[in-house]
Amino acid sequence: GEDVEQSLFLSVREGDSSVINCTYTDSSSTYLYWYKQEPGAGLQLLTYIFSNMDMKQDQRLTVLLNKKDKHLSLRIADTQTGDSAIYFCAETTDTGRRALTFGSGTRLQVQP
Amino acid sequence: DGGITQSPKYLFRKEGQNVTLSCEQNLNHDAMYWYRQDPGQGLRLIYYSQIVNDFQKGDIAEGYSVSREKKESFPLTVTSAQKNPTAFYLCASTPRDSYEQYFGPGTRLTVT
Repeated sequence: GEDVEQSLFLSVREGDSSVINCTYTDSSSTYLYWYKQEPGAGLQLLTYIFSNMDMKQDQRLTVLLNKKDKHLSLRIADTQTGDSAIYFCAETTDTGRRALTFGSGTRLQVQP
Repeated sequence: DGGITQSPKYLFRKEGQNVTLSCEQNLNHDAMYWYRQDPGQGLRLIYYSQIVNDFQKGDIAEGYSVSREKKESFPLTVTSAQKNPTAFYLCASTPRDSYEQYFGPGTRLTVT
């Protein structure tokens, strides 16, 4: 079955880079996603990557995909206090339903 | 102003009562989804619908029902058969021929 795993917590200092990691088990994963959730809110789509790509960059965000190891990472450059939130990794396979399988989330704490 | 709306933000019910959560989108998206989030966990798929008048069970459909009479609307009913209904419920939608999934702000349901 599908499984997505993330570490629970990451603490960084403001201005440093943050790297949030994720592993997944389904080798047929087609798209992999990163979402951000602030307290009491819905999920905000940050970025996603197609499985035939190795890297995607979008302003301060860099996504790296190692398909061989089934490892996905999100790097946030120049981390700000406003980046404090829970970050979810998710994946979908090309099954037609396009529903996502989520990890349990990584809480990022940015210290001033 | 386009987006996905869920109402109400907070909902309280007594055990044994059915309750319906609203989800509306004006993005002209074809597919809609309901997920459930429990504390410290990722999201789990309850039901999804790819087109009007058609919907499919997700991974945890027991005790829930949905309808899709209009493209814009995908209400979720939490029935008294759902053993642990207290949770944060998130609605999402996806455009045709896309894998981008967008989320509403969520409804927090508390059943006592």
